Amino acid sequence: DAMVIQNPRYQVTQFGKPVTLSCSQTLNHNVMYWYQQKSSQAPKLLFHYYDKDFNNEADTPDNFQSRRPNTSFCFLDIRSPGLGDAAMYLCATSSARGGSTDTQYFGPGTRLTVL
Amino acid sequence: GQNIDQPTEMTATEGAIVQINCTYQTSGFNGLFWYQQHAGEAPTFLSYNVLDGLEEKGRFSSFLSRSKGYSYLLLKELQMKDSASYLCAVLDSNYQLIWGAGTKLIIKP
Repeated sequence: DAMVIQNPRYQVTQFGKPVTLSCSQTLNHNVMYWYQQKSSQAPKLLFHYYDKDFNNEADTPDNFQSRRPNTSFCFLDIRSPGLGDAAMYLCATSSARGGSTDTQYFGPGTRLTVL
Repeated sequence: GQNIDQPTEMTATEGAIVQINCTYQTSGFNGLFWYQQHAGEAPTFLSYNVLDGLEEKGRFSSFLSRSKGYSYLLLKELQMKDSASYLCAVLDSNYQLIWGAGTKLIIKP
């Protein structure tokens, strides 16, 4: 089945220790998104790739970086995690060719704990 | 600013019908989405509306009125597994998805 996969599902890191979260997709979608979601809040868009074009949200901290080496994979790097970065990180994809193709499909998420 | 409003929490009884409302004020409109999110899990797509009217999909229906900036999600024959948060999201003129904070739906036996 075509899907969005995130690894790991749970990640524990220490304050200030870099961490990388990964996302892969078999949907062949050209757009990939990274969201941060905290409890009982809406998902917050960090950045997205339209093909190879990187789009950073204005309020995304510099501590967060992303890489998309190919169509299928996208990585979220947190250079120096703080306690406030503990959250669920969601990867999503879409075709973004108009209409219902703009529907975003989510991976299962990675829950990040910062000690 | 862009804004999406939906109730924080609703309670309903198993087997009943519940309507979750969503009002929006966004820069342009390119469609409205409803997602279901169980606790600790990712959102899953439920419905997409871009034209006025009602879209029915099994036990779930979604309605849109663009002139009123209003949508609702209607859930029929409620089951315990429908206990979840329901998020309304609007695609604005820049094709950015603007999210509501979600409505937590509690189903009681």
